[in-house]
Amino acid sequence: DAGVTQSPTHLIKTRGQQVTLRCSPKSGHDTVSWYQQALGQGPQFIFQYYEEEERQRGNFPDRFSGHQFPNYSSELNVNALLLGDSALYLCASSGPGTSGRRGETQYFGPGTRLLVL
Amino acid sequence: AQSVTQPDIHITVSEGASLELRCNYSYGATPYLFWYVQSPGQGLQLLLKYFSGDTLVQGIKGFEAEFKRSQSSFNLRKPSVHWSDAAEYFCAVDGRTGGGNKLTFGTGTQLKVEL
Repeated sequence: DAGVTQSPTHLIKTRGQQVTLRCSPKSGHDTVSWYQQALGQGPQFIFQYYEEEERQRGNFPDRFSGHQFPNYSSELNVNALLLGDSALYLCASSGPGTSGRRGETQYFGPGTRLLVL
Repeated sequence: AQSVTQPDIHITVSEGASLELRCNYSYGATPYLFWYVQSPGQGLQLLLKYFSGDTLVQGIKGFEAEFKRSQSSFNLRKPSVHWSDAAEYFCAVDGRTGGGNKLTFGTGTQLKVEL
């Protein structure tokens, strides 16, 4: 059973550029969340996608956008990159819980490490 | 607003010794609580979770955690630490707002194990 996969594993960009990160959820999961983890910090919630729509958003600027496809995979786009966007970007997936409540446990991928120069 | 505090940034224990990592949360309703572990350069692995019921929950790798509502705490414990437990540990609360849910993490506790 494949877990959450993310691509690429590492990425180097320069300030002002745009980047797209990709995530495939765990089999059977339909909800994808994105988190940013700066060095030495805990992950910070960016947004969550379900049924191809952004369901909830954290305190991130509009430069951060996303998309979910019909097969539940997802992309995170960041425009006009800043040095402060350098971080590990984590994707997490979740699905219908056994109690029928959605998104109870989130399973994380290995992350994409983005370095902005 | 929900928040999580992990008071200990670094902890060092000897192999075979017991371990307790502290976590305090702030959340207005009944919380859903999680402990994750992250090895260097890796993503997060779920250790255990608390939704309801028995306040002592068992997880993988011999870890357990106890939910104490009166203290707003969810401390992680292990009776005997192994060298392979060296990693960073994150406590998180699941805040249910509207139709979605998000995890709010603490800043983590870095565990070092001395042989």
